[in-house]
Amino acid sequence: AQTVTQSQPEMSVQEAETVTLSCTYDTSESNYYLFWYKQPPSRQMILVIRQEAYKQQNATENRFSVNFQKAAKSFSLKISDSQLGDTAMYFCAFRNAGNNRKLIWGLGTSLAVNP
Amino acid sequence: GAVVSQHPSWVICKSGTSVKIECRSLDFQATTMFWYRQFPKQSLMLMATSNEGSKATYEQGVEKDKFLINHASLTLSTLTVTSAHPEDSSFYICSARVGQFYGYTFGSGTRLTVV
Repeated sequence: AQTVTQSQPEMSVQEAETVTLSCTYDTSESNYYLFWYKQPPSRQMILVIRQEAYKQQNATENRFSVNFQKAAKSFSLKISDSQLGDTAMYFCAFRNAGNNRKLIWGLGTSLAVNP
Repeated sequence: GAVVSQHPSWVICKSGTSVKIECRSLDFQATTMFWYRQFPKQSLMLMATSNEGSKATYEQGVEKDKFLINHASLTLSTLTVTSAHPEDSSFYICSARVGQFYGYTFGSGTRLTVV
């Protein structure tokens, strides 16, 4: 079965510093997609970043970047220059590239950015 | 960007009554809608996947007679919680796949309280 593991239930970081959230997954597929979603206190799910498994280059979106290690099945999220508005739950998610369109979710990491 | 409008944002109902939650895709056609349930400080739990014009596919353990899903058009999917009980109180979120890059957009969620 495909699984997503986020081993850090809670993390905190000082404003302007860098933090890395970890995510590992398990799959026998070779082609798939990985996502990081942010859920702030408003509970609106927001896509942070997306990575296609066939791309070797790590995805980057402004202050957010990933370290995608396909062989290790690792997909960590780095947030640079943390801002107070980054305080949220962060969920790592996976889906394979086939017709099954379900997302497999990790349990989430609660990130607090402190002033 | 692709937007899914979810209503109501919160609802309180009496035990035994039914509640309908609507999700509309505003600027794209949502052939597939996913319905999730989320408990406080927990991850998203997929309840069912609905495809326009066909019956929904329910996840194991989800009562299809209690959680009625209708996806009659490419822009509207509804979840009806029938004969609601206090244990149905939760946060319900819909989500649709967007575009060819397998991104997903989410509704803003509905907080259901059954008293």
